[in-house]
Amino acid sequence: QSALTQPASVSGSPGQSITISCTGTSSDVGGYNYVSWHQQHPGKAPKLMLYDVNNRPSGVSNRFSGSKSGNTASLTISGLQAEDEADYYCSSYSSSSTWVFGGGTKLTVL
Amino acid sequence: QVQLQESGPGLVKPSQTLSLTCTVSGGSISSGSFYWNWIRQPAGKGLEWIGRIYTSGSTNYNPSLKSRVAISVDTSKNQFSLKLSSVTAADTAVYFCARKGSGSLFDSWGQGTLVTVSS
Repeated sequence: QSALTQPASVSGSPGQSITISCTGTSSDVGGYNYVSWHQQHPGKAPKLMLYDVNNRPSGVSNRFSGSKSGNTASLTISGLQAEDEADYYCSSYSSSSTWVFGGGTKLTVL
Repeated sequence: QVQLQESGPGLVKPSQTLSLTCTVSGGSISSGSFYWNWIRQPAGKGLEWIGRIYTSGSTNYNPSLKSRVAISVDTSKNQFSLKLSSVTAADTAVYFCARKGSGSLFDSWGQGTLVTVSS
């Protein structure tokens, strides 16, 4: 069970859109629509931003959206705001009833 | 709104067993169809799923940790627990407990607790 692959860092200016990818295999991302994305600010617990690929929990801005194609899932943040600067982690259900996380992506708002 | 809170020793000696408890408040741990998870994060690194327990008591573990991990639930105390045996410095991390509902809905997390493995 290997960690999902995410870019180490992405950046964007306020108001712009960015996309973070999350690549797995057919045994996890590609095999199930159970991909979630979490936002983590320094020293804080992760916060769920998207679940089941593209569903937003109550209270999460509609600037956050998700998609999946094959073994790669993506998180898009539109209209970047300073408060979006954080680490983002994807996670996916995997075979044998386990879960796997990505290595995390540091988002910098320029 | 359910809340989770981790507790346990912040320092564990190498080769010993790490024991943590997650106390659930604002809802019963035995109601609904939820999975109760343990996840850890070494300093400056990513999240690692350790394992989970279902309301019924059934468990699943990360294959890389399976031989050393045990997760249990105490419904009378509204708690679930983690035991990780034969710890080394590599097990030093912030440990989070989290609730998962249907699908990939990891909707509630504890604040995390730092466990350091050192003699």
